[in-house]
Amino acid sequence: KNQVEQSPQSLIILEGKNCTLQCNYTVSPFSNLRWYKQDTGRGPVSLTIMTFSENTKSNGRYTATLDADTKQSSLHITASQLSDSASYICVVSDRGSTLGRLYFGRGTQLTVWP
Amino acid sequence: EADIYQTPRYLVIGTGKKITLECSQTMGHDKMYWYQQDPGMELHLIHYSYGVNSTEKGDLSSESTVSRIRTEHFPLTLESARPSHTSQYLCASAGTSRYEQYFGPGTRLTVT
Repeated sequence: KNQVEQSPQSLIILEGKNCTLQCNYTVSPFSNLRWYKQDTGRGPVSLTIMTFSENTKSNGRYTATLDADTKQSSLHITASQLSDSASYICVVSDRGSTLGRLYFGRGTQLTVWP
Repeated sequence: EADIYQTPRYLVIGTGKKITLECSQTMGHDKMYWYQQDPGMELHLIHYSYGVNSTEKGDLSSESTVSRIRTEHFPLTLESARPSHTSQYLCASAGTSRYEQYFGPGTRLTVT
């Protein structure tokens, strides 16, 4: 069964600190992995996308890594800001679906305190 | 910022009412999707469309229906709302890359 598991479920950090969010998946055949940021009451917005051949991708203070062998990904946030408070969702696509099927994790709820 | 819009953003209605959630995109995308999301849970696909006059049910069984008469418009209808329909509904669209889905802001529906 294709699944995406994220940890931790929630995280509280102080402004300026770094943090790392984890994503494990069993989706096969793998196509790509995205990290989305979802602010409360809003739709998800894509942060990074990585294909099988990529093992790291950065977008400003966000850096995602991918280990396709162990089927793990992480999202590292550097020098956190209050505006980083949101849910971060790991989304994995399978290569075999003409639909473009996306498998969603439940997200990690990040809260940044001043 | 993706050009995909949803209205209303928030809706509180009584049981048994008929409602339509609107979704429009101005990117000319062929593929459009409806997801349902409960707090702290993952998104579940309930409907999708590959183009005009094409609609299919998704993974999660839903009593809602959809239509795709125009490329830019993908409304979702509930004929008789129930409290179990209380949830957030997210619309998305994709163009050339079916994996590059752009999401709307969502509609938070509460059925009392």
